[in-house]
Amino acid sequence: EVQLVESGGGLVQPGRSLKLSCAASGFTFSNYGMAWVRQAPTKGLEWVATISYDGSSTYYRDSVKGRFTISRDNAKSTLYLQMDSLRSEDTATYYCASRLAYWGQGTLVTVSS
Amino acid sequence: DVLMTQTPVSLPVSLGGQVSISCRSSQSLVHSDGNTYLHWYLQKPGQSPQLLIYRVSNRFSGVPDRFSGSGSGTDFTLKISRVEPEDLGVYYCLQSTHFPNTFGAGTKLELK
Repeated sequence: EVQLVESGGGLVQPGRSLKLSCAASGFTFSNYGMAWVRQAPTKGLEWVATISYDGSSTYYRDSVKGRFTISRDNAKSTLYLQMDSLRSEDTATYYCASRLAYWGQGTLVTVSS
Repeated sequence: DVLMTQTPVSLPVSLGGQVSISCRSSQSLVHSDGNTYLHWYLQKPGQSPQLLIYRVSNRFSGVPDRFSGSGSGTDFTLKISRVEPEDLGVYYCLQSTHFPNTFGAGTKLELK
């Protein structure tokens, strides 16, 4: 059974950093691209970033480019999202997704002073 | 960015009824590899999104055949027949042909 478990969310002040993790199991992690998708409270879904199966290619939405870094450790079957210079508009539940088919339960990030 | 226009915003339905949701893209979703990466998701209250249909018309594992997807190019439709209580929630279309990937704004399926 495919499982994706996000962690690392929490309350953080504007301008600070946070690193999210997504632990994967139940499939060969190193074979598949992964993505982060977020959802602000009461809002719709918003794609954030994608990384290729081997980490050689990464893609970001403009609003996080230069502030967020998606990465992966295939030996640990773990996906990461390093979030720097956080803004209030980054407040959301962050989901990791494998192949855009399997999703985790999400981790809430709140950016507020 | 590809704009995904999803309609309607709200869709009242009677149990056992049939509904359609439309998703139109601002440019063609045909990838250079020949595939069309248009997908449909359902998000039930308090849950993560779940994939229903991938690449326009392919039902994901475990998805009942009451759900069907169709369309091409820039115009896509999700049909749900014999609506059941567990079908209620918000439906989203997603295009992953182009970066940035973009979602429709969502359609809330609710009981009349």
